[in-house]
Amino acid sequence: QVQLQESGPGLVKPSQTLSLTCTVSGGSISSGSSYWSWIRQHPGKALEWIGRIFYSGNTNYSPSLKSRLTISVDTSRNQFSLKLRSVTAADTAVYYCARERGGSMVVDYWGQGSLVTVSS
Amino acid sequence: HSVLTQPPSLSGAPGQRVTISCTGNSSNIGAGYDVHWYQQLPGAAPTLLIYGNVNRPSGVPGRFSGSKSGTSASLAITGLQAEDEADYYCQSYDSSLSGSTVFGGGTKLTVL
Repeated sequence: QVQLQESGPGLVKPSQTLSLTCTVSGGSISSGSSYWSWIRQHPGKALEWIGRIFYSGNTNYSPSLKSRLTISVDTSRNQFSLKLRSVTAADTAVYYCARERGGSMVVDYWGQGSLVTVSS
Repeated sequence: HSVLTQPPSLSGAPGQRVTISCTGNSSNIGAGYDVHWYQQLPGAAPTLLIYGNVNRPSGVPGRFSGSKSGTSASLAITGLQAEDEADYYCQSYDSSLSGSTVFGGGTKLTVL
């Protein structure tokens, strides 16, 4: 059973960089059938896909966030990370890390979510 | 706004049948990409309800079923129960958005 756990600061100042790490347990991040993703949810709003990474380092990013976004992977630690630059209050959300199963891209495992508030 | 369109809210009485629609276009659902459905209870992460248009993960009651036709998909819940009160999201893949995963705007289901 794959488990994912987000970690990182819960408060970020405007214009700074939001950084989160997801630790994967119960399975290898180097699995050839898995993509590792970030999804966020603004308070009271719908889910928004941010981007994904394959263990090789190949990424896909949401076009709306691409200019500010970097997703990276550390296979030795079974972790992947999110960096979102130049944040504003509009980036305040619960951030989920998740696994997308290759092929159908179903999100079959989710982290519990990490609330990140952007405020001075 | 979301790429996939869902009704914002629905309601039904216990025991009734409700259907939640999810409408896309020729770049996502209409292109043949699978549709998946998630249930999100208040304060919790989403959980997978239906995958590959019609399949239920183990542990999901048979009251939940999915279907897909053309550029749309649907989630049906029969024998509605109080515990089904939650937000429901559809999800697919979109070839026109740099290989993005796309979600619907969500449907809040109220059990009367």
